[in-house]
Amino acid sequence: DAGVIQSPRHEVTEMGQEVTLRCKPISGHDYLFWYRQTMMRGLELLIYFNNNVPIDDSGMPEDRFSAKMPNASFSTLKIQPSEPRDSAVYFCASSSSQGANYGYTFGSGTRLTVV
Amino acid sequence: AQSVTQLDSQVPVFEEAPVELRCNYSSSVSVYLFWYVQYPNQGLQLLLKYLSGSTLVKGINGFEAEFNKSQTSFHLRKPSVHISDTAEYFCAVSEGNTGKLIFGQGTTLQVKP
Repeated sequence: DAGVIQSPRHEVTEMGQEVTLRCKPISGHDYLFWYRQTMMRGLELLIYFNNNVPIDDSGMPEDRFSAKMPNASFSTLKIQPSEPRDSAVYFCASSSSQGANYGYTFGSGTRLTVV
Repeated sequence: AQSVTQLDSQVPVFEEAPVELRCNYSSSVSVYLFWYVQYPNQGLQLLLKYLSGSTLVKGINGFEAEFNKSQTSFHLRKPSVHISDTAEYFCAVSEGNTGKLIFGQGTTLQVKP
């Protein structure tokens, strides 16, 4: 298995622009999580899905952030419009809630810089 | 709600010395426990996990952890560290019957020559 795949690895954009981050989870995993990591706040859970349905989006900072999971193999996190304070590393992780496979597998992350 | 406390934000240690990174969790029910490692500019990688069975769990890179239910602890240990072990270490606990994990704030292990 190729693991959790995130794209792009790096994104530099200007303030006000729309940014879309992408994630392909591990096949067969029924949970998908979006995290944001900064020096100041550490690892923050933004939103998570179970079987493609959003379960908890209370960590999404503002209406500028939105996430979708149209099918079991793809999810997006969109920021519109982007602001400099959104600069962070965004991680996607997938998980199985069953048996020995329980536990997150993280992607390599997308480093977002908003200038 | 579950919570995880990593008792040390930073742990400096000399190369080849033993190390213990402490983790306590709050729960009165059965839990699954995890340690993840994050090397600089990389994602989080699973070191080891406890799901059931033996309370001593061995992971990658010579790390091990012991589940202590009475102490609600899951401390991570390595008998002899290397410079390459310098990284951020995160303890995590499962939340109920969901697939969600609750993470601690992380401990930075700094291995000095």
